[in-house]
Amino acid sequence: DSGVTQTPKHLITATGQRVTLRCSPRSGDLSVYWYQQSLDQGLQFLIQYYNGEERAKGNILERFSAQQFPDLHSELNLSSLELGDSALYFCASSVGTLSGSEQFFGPGTRLTVL
Amino acid sequence: QQQVKQSPQSLIVQKGGISIINCAYENTAFDYFPWYQQFPGKGPALLIAIRPDVSEKKEGRFTISFNKSAKQFSLHIMDSQPGDSATYFCAASVGSGSARQLTFGSGTQLTVLP
Repeated sequence: DSGVTQTPKHLITATGQRVTLRCSPRSGDLSVYWYQQSLDQGLQFLIQYYNGEERAKGNILERFSAQQFPDLHSELNLSSLELGDSALYFCASSVGTLSGSEQFFGPGTRLTVL
Repeated sequence: QQQVKQSPQSLIVQKGGISIINCAYENTAFDYFPWYQQFPGKGPALLIAIRPDVSEKKEGRFTISFNKSAKQFSLHIMDSQPGDSATYFCAASVGSGSARQLTFGSGTQLTVLP
């Protein structure tokens, strides 16, 4: 158990809908990262927040957005869902952002878009 | 330039054998190179990591070899065990200030036969 929690574990929804994925980082970790894992794209970095502020952005679609709240938990919002958004979404956290700061991954949320 | 290329895609090894997974990168700004292990239904977990100023790091049966001039690094699993059967991802980390992101290789599915 990494100490990172994600809810829900599974999510099934329809095209065009909007969903929110939630992540609670390890106690004391200020940085939260979101990743998407799909069969064709592998593990892709989406976005990083540090102490409430967006710090790095990867291959995140404009239909997706995220935020980190004062209690450091984070939410990833996915809207206008398409079939291709079906994937595993992982949250990770780290105490800092220096080189060598280990990222601890949560168990993931499996999103299925029908 | 952000890409990390990983090979092979899959690997089958007999128990007790050596498993070798290779990765290559282009971006010389990467400053940390972790390997992650992922079991089905779980999030990736850090296995071992190396900085670019070190040519080799060993932890138990796991060794990273790093060749900075060739921009290549590899994971060696000695005395491979059936419990090592998992998907392995190399990654490369880059950051500035409080921003940091991981770029993952495409993954290697390792099967260790009993």
